[in-house]
Amino acid sequence: DQQVKQNSPSLSVQEGRISILNCDYTNSMFDYFLWYKKYPAEGPTFLISISSIKDKNEDGRFTVFLNKSAKHLSLHIVPSQPGDSAVYFCAASGVYSGGGADGLTFGKGTHLIIQP
Amino acid sequence: EAQVTQNPRYLITVTGKKLTVTCSQNMNHEYMSWYRQDPGLGLRQIYYSMNVEVTDKGDVPEGYKVSRKEKRNFPLILESPSPNQTSLYFCASSLLPSGSGTDTQYFGPGTRLTVL
Repeated sequence: DQQVKQNSPSLSVQEGRISILNCDYTNSMFDYFLWYKKYPAEGPTFLISISSIKDKNEDGRFTVFLNKSAKHLSLHIVPSQPGDSAVYFCAASGVYSGGGADGLTFGKGTHLIIQP
Repeated sequence: EAQVTQNPRYLITVTGKKLTVTCSQNMNHEYMSWYRQDPGLGLRQIYYSMNVEVTDKGDVPEGYKVSRKEKRNFPLILESPSPNQTSLYFCASSLLPSGSGTDTQYFGPGTRLTVL
C-alpha cells in the first residue's frame, strides 16, 4: 500500500507560468514532508520541506503548502524556468514507535517539463 | 566538498555473481540509507543504519545485505544477484534521523546495476 502518492507522472508547464505539483499521503504518523528534485544521472537533491505544525513554507520561487486535514501537500514553483525541468519526489517522515527502519517514504515522482 | 560517493556508477553482471556497491560520506553523518529507484515505483528504502554496527531493514531488504563497520562507509552487498535487482541504487546520509524533522538526506549520484 503506497503511503505517499504522486498521481501525476508528468506535468508540462509553459516557462514563466506557475507549476503546481501535488502529493497525497495516507499515514497520519507522518509529521515532516520534503520535496526532492532529481536531474537525470544525478542523485536527488533536497529542495524544500515543511513541518506538520505549519501550513506553508516559502523559499524563493518555491512554496510548499500542507493541508493536514486532507493529507495533501503541494509544491508551487513560480515563475517556472527551464532549469526546473526535472523529476520531483515528494517524501514524508515521522517518529515511528515500535522499531522498524527510520527513513523517508517517497512518492513515485512527477516529471516536470518546462516548455519555452 | 561535502559529498556522498558511490562506486561503481555503472555495473553489468550475471545472475549469482556476488557484488558490492560501496558508499562513502565525508560529512561525519551517523545515519545512512540505501534506496532503489524503479520506473513507476519511485524510491524505496532497502536498508538503514543509525550508527556503526547498527542497521535495520527498510521496505525492500530481500536479497541485500549491508554492513557499517566505519561511520563513513555503508556498502551494499548482493550475495547472489538476480535480474529483479536490476535497478538504480542511491546511497544517502544525514546528520539526524529523517523523522526528526530538522535535517535532510544527502544522496549519492547513483549506481545503475544490470543483472543478466
